[in-house]
Amino acid sequence: GDSVTQMEGPVTLSEEAFLTINCTYTATGYPSLFWYVQYPGEGLQLLLKATKADDKGSNKGFEATYRKETTSFHLEKGSVQVSDSAVYFCALIGGTDKLIFGTGTRLQVFP
Amino acid sequence: EAGVAQSPRYKIIEKRQSVAFWCNPISGHATLYWYQQILGQGPKLLIQFQNNGVVDDSQLPKDRFSAERLKGVDSTLKIQPAKLEDSAVYLCASSSRSTLGNIQYFGAGTRLSVL
Repeated sequence: GDSVTQMEGPVTLSEEAFLTINCTYTATGYPSLFWYVQYPGEGLQLLLKATKADDKGSNKGFEATYRKETTSFHLEKGSVQVSDSAVYFCALIGGTDKLIFGTGTRLQVFP
Repeated sequence: EAGVAQSPRYKIIEKRQSVAFWCNPISGHATLYWYQQILGQGPKLLIQFQNNGVVDDSQLPKDRFSAERLKGVDSTLKIQPAKLEDSAVYLCASSSRSTLGNIQYFGAGTRLSVL
């Protein structure tokens, strides 16, 4: 069945460092791909999405490119801030029309 | 626009007790979802409603979990009797099909601890 694999955390960075959180997926057909973010004490928020190969989703300085050849959707940000500390979830909607999540990656940014 | 509302935010019960969670989706959203998020894992779908009808409840442990959405708006999820392994965050989400795609919007969740 469809699945999402994320790098394990926590990812610990200093402010202004470059961020990459790896995400790969397994799905039949052409899934839509998402990154959700969960700040402490809050619900999941959609960060960005991409619906077809080579699409780049972007929001709040974060970017991810839908790579069908490598079945990946890595999340990147050029300069992280303390306020970016949160748990990040990669997810997909495939042929089952269900939203399938990865296990999440905790990001901790220190000043 | 108001977001997805859930209550309570926290609940502590003993095993074999019953508990209920409430969700009010974003106004106009026809589809409502309940997810279970166990610590260290991603959310897993329990049940999906389209208006007041069940679309998918294949992952709902029906011997102890039940859910309803009687008027096609707010919804309740019940656990009776609770087990230790039910300790988790229960998330409600809603969506409305549009040209932007079927984006799901999540509430803050109810954190359940079963002792």
